[in-house]
Amino acid sequence: GENVEQHPSTLSVQEGDSAVIKCTYSDSASNYFPWYKQELGKRPQLIIDIRSNVGEKKDQRIAVTLNKTAKHFSLHITETQPEDSAVYFCAASKGGNTPLVFGKGTRLSVIA
Amino acid sequence: ETGVTQTPRHLVMGMTNKKSLKCEQHLGHNAMYWYKQSAKKPLELMFVYSLEERVENNSVPSRFSPECPNSSHLFLHLHTLQPEDSALYLCASSQVRGYTGELFFGEGSRLTVL
Repeated sequence: GENVEQHPSTLSVQEGDSAVIKCTYSDSASNYFPWYKQELGKRPQLIIDIRSNVGEKKDQRIAVTLNKTAKHFSLHITETQPEDSAVYFCAASKGGNTPLVFGKGTRLSVIA
Repeated sequence: ETGVTQTPRHLVMGMTNKKSLKCEQHLGHNAMYWYKQSAKKPLELMFVYSLEERVENNSVPSRFSPECPNSSHLFLHLHTLQPEDSALYLCASSQVRGYTGELFFGEGSRLTVL
């Protein structure tokens, strides 16, 4: 089955710097890659997703890139702010009735 | 209330107790899910219901028993749990069953098994 590896497990950046979180997946048939953000004590929320027919997607300060050949995708956060501090989870799915497989999460701390 | 709500938010139980977790969604979605979130582990899918029918059971021990009486409510009945079952249990819903759309999560029920 699908296996999703996420790195790093923790990441600290200075406010205003960029943060990059990387995920690799094992099943080349996966075609949907969402990213969820979970603030401390809060629910996970979808922040951005990408499908395999697109190489990059951007939404204000966040962007996701996908390399299907290498089977990895990354989350990029620019101009980080303290409110970006949270745990970020990547996931992958083949779609249809195949469940999302999540990575273990990355705890991002933005230091003011 | 809007979105997905879970009760109780915190639960402490002994290994011989029986308790239930409740989830309610106010989004008009047709699919509901139970996930287990443990420290330093990926989110683990436990059960999926689509239109009130259980469609997935990921080899979850029988001490966890789900119930979906209608498309808005989902329960997780717990009995004779083990300490390793201590975790955050998250309920989620989606428009339709399928894994290429947004999951809407509740804030979770933090379970501690003594």
